[in-house]
Amino acid sequence: GAGVSQSPSNKVTEKGKDVELRCDPISGHTALYWYRQSLGQGLEFLIYFQGNSAPDKSGLPSDRFSAERTGGSVSTLTIQRTQQEDSAVYLCASKQGIPYEQYFGPGTRLTVT
Amino acid sequence: AQTVTQSQPEMSVQEAETVTLSCTYDTSESDYYLFWYKQPPSRQMILVIRQEAYKQQNATENRFSVNFQKAAKSFSLKISDSQLGDAAMYFCAYRTPETQGGSEKLVFGKGTKLTVNP
Repeated sequence: GAGVSQSPSNKVTEKGKDVELRCDPISGHTALYWYRQSLGQGLEFLIYFQGNSAPDKSGLPSDRFSAERTGGSVSTLTIQRTQQEDSAVYLCASKQGIPYEQYFGPGTRLTVT
Repeated sequence: AQTVTQSQPEMSVQEAETVTLSCTYDTSESDYYLFWYKQPPSRQMILVIRQEAYKQQNATENRFSVNFQKAAKSFSLKISDSQLGDAAMYFCAYRTPETQGGSEKLVFGKGTKLTVNP
């Protein structure tokens, strides 16, 4: 079946602009994660959604970052007033439940100029 | 907090040879999962192998196997009969079981870039 999809694949924006990154998880997967991968670094956890539970936002680096998941499916990560240090690949992953593995999307490469 | 360390930023191997990638982690928990993910230039993270901490037997998936040393908190990946398609970034990751009240997020190492020479 279809895997996790993310859009756009690449995004170039000017410093100070807002951006929205989209994630479509695998159908039926209840859990959804956002990670950030800065150049030469491993993946850094940002936020986690599980069903109707309150999301775990403990990884969001600042209040400029927010995310929502509508209808338990599609998720949008929003970065307000982008800064150059926000430049990274943003990866989304979804999971069916315990104890299944996370399946990753291809990511969105964000470049802030 | 859990941490994952990959001490080899880059490794290289000749085609058909064997290579071992190192990973150590730090945790105070007794029940957890460990993973190796592969990330080719396409950016797609691909699960290579998984190990449950309560299992003493090392996981194996075809040419990929792990050496899991729980007491030493070590989790190395061995790739046998290396192929050109194995060239990628390899990430070691730790996950807390959700049953322990955590959010079950993955904690990643910084990765090892593997080059396979023909």
